[in-house]
Amino acid sequence: DAGVTQSPTHLIKTRGQQVTLRCSPKSGHDTVSWYQQALGQGPQFIFQYYEEEERQRGNFPDRFSGHQFPNYSSELNVNALLLGDSALYLCASSPVGGADEKLFFGSGTQLSVL
Amino acid sequence: AQSVTQPDIHITVSEGASLELRCNYSYGATPYLFWYVQSPGQGLQLLLKYFSGDTLVQGIKGFEAEFKRSQSSFNLRKPSVHWSDAAEYFCAVAPDISGGYNKLIFGAGTRLAVHP
Repeated sequence: DAGVTQSPTHLIKTRGQQVTLRCSPKSGHDTVSWYQQALGQGPQFIFQYYEEEERQRGNFPDRFSGHQFPNYSSELNVNALLLGDSALYLCASSPVGGADEKLFFGSGTQLSVL
Repeated sequence: AQSVTQPDIHITVSEGASLELRCNYSYGATPYLFWYVQSPGQGLQLLLKYFSGDTLVQGIKGFEAEFKRSQSSFNLRKPSVHWSDAAEYFCAVAPDISGGYNKLIFGAGTRLAVHP
């Protein structure tokens, strides 16, 4: 049983570009959350998707947007990249009905903005 | 605003020694509390969680944590550290119980080094 998978593993972009990160949740999970982890910091919540809609959002600008597909996979899009967007982006999934009451995290996508 | 503080940025212990990692939170009610571990190149793995009930919770890999409401603390402990425990440890709180446990606030982390 595969866990949470994210692609790509690493990505290099330049300022002003746009980027799309992808996440496949753990089998049986229907809720996906995205986190940004800057170097030396703890993860920060970006947003959560459930039933293809954004349900909760952290303190991130509108440049950060997402999507969830019918198969529960998700994308994180960041427009007009800034140097400060360089970070590890983590995807987490949780099960239907929250029965397990915990998040399963992927290994992340390391984004570098030059 | 809700916050999580991990006062120790970096801790070094000898293999076999005991360990305590500190965590303080700022929140009005009793939140959901978590400890996660992150090894290099890997995602976060849940060690243990506290929602209610017994204030001493047992987790995986021999870790335990104690919730102390009076001190707003949720410290992580292990009686005997193994070299494989070297990693980054994060304390987290889910401040909005109505929103479930998907929106977590994390501390800045404590990096644990283990000497042989």
